[in-house]
Amino acid sequence: DGGITQSPKYLFRKEGQNVTLSCEQNLNHDAMYWYRQDPGQGLRLIYYSQIVNDFQKGDIAEGYSVSREKKESFPLTVTSAQKNPTAFYLCASSHPNRVGGEKLFFGSGTQLSVL
Amino acid sequence: EDQVTQSPEALRLQEGESSSLNCSYTVSGLRGLFWYRQDPGKGPEFLFTLYSAGEEKEKERLKATLTKKESFLHITAPKPEDSATYLCAVQAGDQAGTALIFGKGTTLSVSS
Repeated sequence: DGGITQSPKYLFRKEGQNVTLSCEQNLNHDAMYWYRQDPGQGLRLIYYSQIVNDFQKGDIAEGYSVSREKKESFPLTVTSAQKNPTAFYLCASSHPNRVGGEKLFFGSGTQLSVL
Repeated sequence: EDQVTQSPEALRLQEGESSSLNCSYTVSGLRGLFWYRQDPGKGPEFLFTLYSAGEEKEKERLKATLTKKESFLHITAPKPEDSATYLCAVQAGDQAGTALIFGKGTTLSVSS
């Protein structure tokens, strides 16, 4: 089945530690995205990538880093510089459509908590 | 600045009691408006895409409509399984592959 796989489902970070969230898709989509969701809040964009080896900062990129070495993969690293990392992280992908808006397909999310 | 505002934040309905959720938006060049459903602890599930004012789409008990400034998600005769958070999002600009801008969502609770 085609889809987006995020792992792990739950992740705990110790102070000063970097952690990496995995996102893999087999939908052959060009664009991939990372969003952060806090309780009672909408989704806020961290980073997105429209093509391999290229990515752009979103609204809240500070304290995060990404790479896009393969079309299928878009891992997110939460660095120690991110002082408030506890949140639900969502990865998504889309297939660009020159005619109109492109819907995003989402993974099942990773809940990150600080120990 | 592009932005999306959803209201109400929370809505409680009795089973069978129809209502509407609102999504107002301000964007420079709308490429599409999207409605998603999100269950607790899960990723959003796509419901509808609307592209231009006057457009309507239906799926079971849900109907989405679009004007130049807002969209409504009408829920007819809701059931308890319709309980979820409903997210509205817009894609703006003239370039494919740009990210969606989300509202904070409306949490719907339907009791039997």
